Amino acid sequence: DAGVIQSPRHEVTEMGQEVTLRCKPISGHNSLFWYRQTMMRGLELLIYFNNNVPIDDSGMPEDRFSAKMPNASFSTLKIQPSEPRDSAVYFCASSLGRGYSNQPQHFGDGTRLSIL
Amino acid sequence: SQQGEEDPQALSIQEGENATMNCSYKTSINNLQWYRQNSGRGLVHLILIRSNEREKHSGRLRVTLDTSKKSSSLLITASRAADTASYFCATDNSGGSNYKLTFGKGTLLTVNP
Repeated sequence: DAGVIQSPRHEVTEMGQEVTLRCKPISGHNSLFWYRQTMMRGLELLIYFNNNVPIDDSGMPEDRFSAKMPNASFSTLKIQPSEPRDSAVYFCASSLGRGYSNQPQHFGDGTRLSIL
Repeated sequence: SQQGEEDPQALSIQEGENATMNCSYKTSINNLQWYRQNSGRGLVHLILIRSNEREKHSGRLRVTLDTSKKSSSLLITASRAADTASYFCATDNSGGSNYKLTFGKGTLLTVNP
């Protein structure tokens, strides 16, 4: 079975450029999460969708960050304009149902983002 | 905010030995999960333990939970080189949102062949 698919796997771009990260969740999963992982702060939840609707975006660091889920099989995380401090590994995860904590989350292999 | 803290930060053992990693957290929970992350890959769910459970097994994995001490441990028995990875605990908050998991910073386990 296909797992969570993220693209690109690596992105290097210059400060000020727009960055778009993509995620395809596991078919049939109703909940989708975007995380950011850094050495300093560990893994942080950015935004949570359920049935394509953003439920909690309190982790989105700034207005420069936006996320969409136009349908059940696709989500994007956009950073515009990008800054060097946005450099991190960004993960997408999906889970069944409401995404409650009694369900495992299935992670993609992440996008390693470097902003120069 | 609540956060699981793993201990130790790094652990190096020989193949065949057992590895024990600990997790402490701050507030009451409903569920605690353990994940593994291989270098350059995403997190993989290992095991979930509910607050009313004290111990759970899955293959070579044994997880314990002590809610009175707000701590959990992950034991990997008869370790293999392929177990080399970072291990994270993730907790919810029984007084907060029921979907949000907070991850610790992980224990880096190295199993030497």
